[in-house]
Amino acid sequence: GENVEQHPSTLSVQEGDSAVIKCTYSDSASNYFPWYKQELGKRPQLIIDIRSNVGEKKDQRIAVTLNKTAKHFSLHITETQPEDSAVYFCAADMDSNYQLIWGAGTKLIIKP
Amino acid sequence: GAGVSQSPRYKVAKRGQDVALRCDPISGHVSLFWYQQALGQGPEFLTYFQNEAQLDKSGLPSDRFFAERPEGSVSTLKIQRTQQEDSAVYLCASREREGPNEQFFGPGTRLTVL
Repeated sequence: GENVEQHPSTLSVQEGDSAVIKCTYSDSASNYFPWYKQELGKRPQLIIDIRSNVGEKKDQRIAVTLNKTAKHFSLHITETQPEDSAVYFCAADMDSNYQLIWGAGTKLIIKP
Repeated sequence: GAGVSQSPRYKVAKRGQDVALRCDPISGHVSLFWYQQALGQGPEFLTYFQNEAQLDKSGLPSDRFFAERPEGSVSTLKIQRTQQEDSAVYLCASREREGPNEQFFGPGTRLTVL
């Protein structure tokens, strides 16, 4: 079945710098790759997603890149701000119901 | 509009008690998922409904876990004879339609089994 690995588990960056989180997946049939942000004690919320027919997608300071050949995708956050501090999860879909398989999460810490 | 809601938000149970967790999805959403999230971990899939049909329950950890969505809207996750290892946050998510689309999450129910 699908397996999603996410790195690093913790990432500390200076405010204003960029942050990059990487994920790899195992099922070449996966087609949908969302990224969720979860603040402490809150629900996960979608911040950006990408489908397999696209290599890159941007939304203001957030971008996601996908390499289907290598089976990895990455989240890029530029000009980081304190409110970016949270746990970020990548996921990949599998099976006919598009069930999501989740990475273990990356705790992003923005240092003032 | 209203998002996904869950109740109760917090539940403390003594080991061996039965609990019932409720999920109200976004109105009209076809798909409904239940996840279990342990502290510091990502959500782990439990079960999936398409309308009232439970199409996948492969993630339920034991036969003590049971989920239903009898009218295709509200769903209940029931855990019988709770054990300490059941302590976790239980998240519900709904999705508007089939296919690879955004799942909208509820706030979760934090279950603590003493």
